[in-house]
Amino acid sequence: QSALTQPASVSGSPGQSITISCTGTSSDVGNNKYVSWYQQHPGKAPKLMIYDVSNRPSGVSNRFSGSKSGNTASLTISGLQAEDEADYFCSSYTSISTYVFGTGTKVTVL
Amino acid sequence: EVQLLESGGGLVQPGGSLRLSCAASGFIFHSYAMTWVRQAPGKGLEWVSTISGGGGTTYYADSVKDRFSISRDNSKNTLYLQMNSLRAEDTAVYFCAKGTDYYPPSFDPWGQGTLVIVSS
Repeated sequence: QSALTQPASVSGSPGQSITISCTGTSSDVGNNKYVSWYQQHPGKAPKLMIYDVSNRPSGVSNRFSGSKSGNTASLTISGLQAEDEADYFCSSYTSISTYVFGTGTKVTVL
Repeated sequence: EVQLLESGGGLVQPGGSLRLSCAASGFIFHSYAMTWVRQAPGKGLEWVSTISGGGGTTYYADSVKDRFSISRDNSKNTLYLQMNSLRAEDTAVYFCAKGTDYYPPSFDPWGQGTLVIVSS
């Protein structure tokens, strides 16, 4: 199972919106609604930010939103803040009951 | 508060074995699937294995199938990962994560991880 494809880096100024893409195949992202997004600050454990494409766990800011079209899922961060600077990974459940992560995107707040 | 504490990492020679543990607290352990995810130094996340709440169903990534074995002791609220025939490419921080309430689960929260180094 190949990793999902994400841009290596995305940047934006405080207050702006950015979008991170996550491209898979018809065996994973395109096959179901089970895409999640994780935020990881340096040296820390990942944190769940979005599940089932567009749902936010309790406690996650509504500045984070998710969507999907075909084989590509997206994470949008609106009103970018300094604390959003981190690595972001998408993940998808697959047609063979496994999981696959994305290659990861480093978000920089300018 | 949910807490997950991994242990058992360390330096091991290629071909060797290691068993990781993840002590869980703050939730009804046997009600949730549990997962191991690893991260090689400076690299991305890689799903390793998932086990159902009762322990009867397990899933593995192709890269570890037939070498790693996931298990759990619900009486001790502990998750395990037995790693055999270790290779240099298994060097990584290994995180355990609790499954969410819904199926298939996402991973929330995660432990802080334990570092495994495979080297001679």
